[in-house]
Amino acid sequence: NAGVMQNPRHLVRRRGQEARLRCSPMKGHSHVYWYRQLPEEGLKFMVYLQKENIIDESGMPKERFSAEFPKEGPSILRIQQVVRGDSAAYFCASSPSRQGDYGYTFGSGTRLTVV
Amino acid sequence: AQSVTQPDIHITVSEGASLELRCNYSYGATPYLFWYVQSPGQGLQLLLKYFSGDTLVQGIKGFEAEFKRSQSSFNLRKPSVHWSDAAEYFCAVGYYNTDKLIFGTGTRLQVFP
Repeated sequence: NAGVMQNPRHLVRRRGQEARLRCSPMKGHSHVYWYRQLPEEGLKFMVYLQKENIIDESGMPKERFSAEFPKEGPSILRIQQVVRGDSAAYFCASSPSRQGDYGYTFGSGTRLTVV
Repeated sequence: AQSVTQPDIHITVSEGASLELRCNYSYGATPYLFWYVQSPGQGLQLLLKYFSGDTLVQGIKGFEAEFKRSQSSFNLRKPSVHWSDAAEYFCAVGYYNTDKLIFGTGTRLQVFP
């Protein structure tokens, strides 16, 4: 009964490189949400996806960030040309339906450090 | 704009003492309310949630929270704190017509023996 799996747990990238963060939702969950936690702050919503569809990306920065949730495989959050300000913990959550019904199950996060 | 306020950034209590963590939300529509706990370097674990019905909600680890619509509050309580409760606690609010949770900035709980 695996929970939400995120990898890698820690990721170090140099400025200008690309970061790929992966999230495998719980079995039976088809809704995935990405959040970002900056140091000393709460979580901020980034994007909500269902299989092959982006439902709400209102929290995604306009440039360099993208997300996908393909028919097969994990959801990917991609950050191109990373900058120091991208250093944060990125959390993925999944749910069997829209969040209002059941609440999320969160993964343990990926901690991105940009050097 | 919708927001969640956790006015206490850091709280210190002695083991065995009672605890109340405050949470206020800004938007007036019927909210869905959540409390999460985050241990250092870990993800978030759901403690309890409120959707409707009884305004006093029981959660895991002996926690409870009370929804007070008149005060727009959802405070978390525990009658006797254990050292293992030391962590960061986040209040969050969602609404039926949106797909995202809005989190407060968290309250860091420190427990002294």
